[in-house]
Amino acid sequence: EPEVTQTPSHQVTQMGQEVILRCVPISNHLYFYWYRQILGQKVEFLVSFYNNEISEKSEIFDDQFSVERPDGSNFTLKIRSTKLEDSAMYFCASSDPLTYLIYEQFFGPGTRLTVL
Amino acid sequence: QQQVKQSPQSLIVQKGGISIINCAYENTAFDYFPWYQQFPGKGPALLIAIRPDVSEKKEGRFTISFNKSAKQFSLHIMDSQPGDSATYFCAGYNFNKFYFGSGTKLNVKP
Repeated sequence: EPEVTQTPSHQVTQMGQEVILRCVPISNHLYFYWYRQILGQKVEFLVSFYNNEISEKSEIFDDQFSVERPDGSNFTLKIRSTKLEDSAMYFCASSDPLTYLIYEQFFGPGTRLTVL
Repeated sequence: QQQVKQSPQSLIVQKGGISIINCAYENTAFDYFPWYQQFPGKGPALLIAIRPDVSEKKEGRFTISFNKSAKQFSLHIMDSQPGDSATYFCAGYNFNKFYFGSGTKLNVKP
């Protein structure tokens, strides 16, 4: 069964450093998303991406964040200058409105980001 | 703004019992209400979902009850099993964004 994959599983970085979180969505999916989950808290929407551009973003997704689909398979989230409060689990998700409802998003296993 | 409120925060149920998790939403523009199941170290996985024009949806042991006028919906897990022990999130969907509840940690005792 196809699945969303994410690398690395755990990233440790120093405050102020740039990090890039990588995701490989399910092939042929058209919509891509990033969410974050601070330990013990709810999952929060960050951004959705379709047709090589951001379609929606939340208040959390400020200028420190950017997303990119550098090739036909990867989808990345970049945090330019990490803060302590960026420490969280980051989930990538994808959906395919042509096969499933656009609502049915498939989540990856997540990348745990720890900012020291 | 907390668009989806979920309760309880944690729940302990005996094997074979019924687990009930409740959610209330504020945004009447939500047009899809999923429940996600999350095991430790894993991403959320879609469990069951409902549209607001339906009052109930059942899939196996899992049932969503939806009350549009009260802006509430709930997940019922019948014959709860230890394998159901996980964190459950409700959500509301609108304009390509999900708003998740705070999660309920379910522990089913053998």
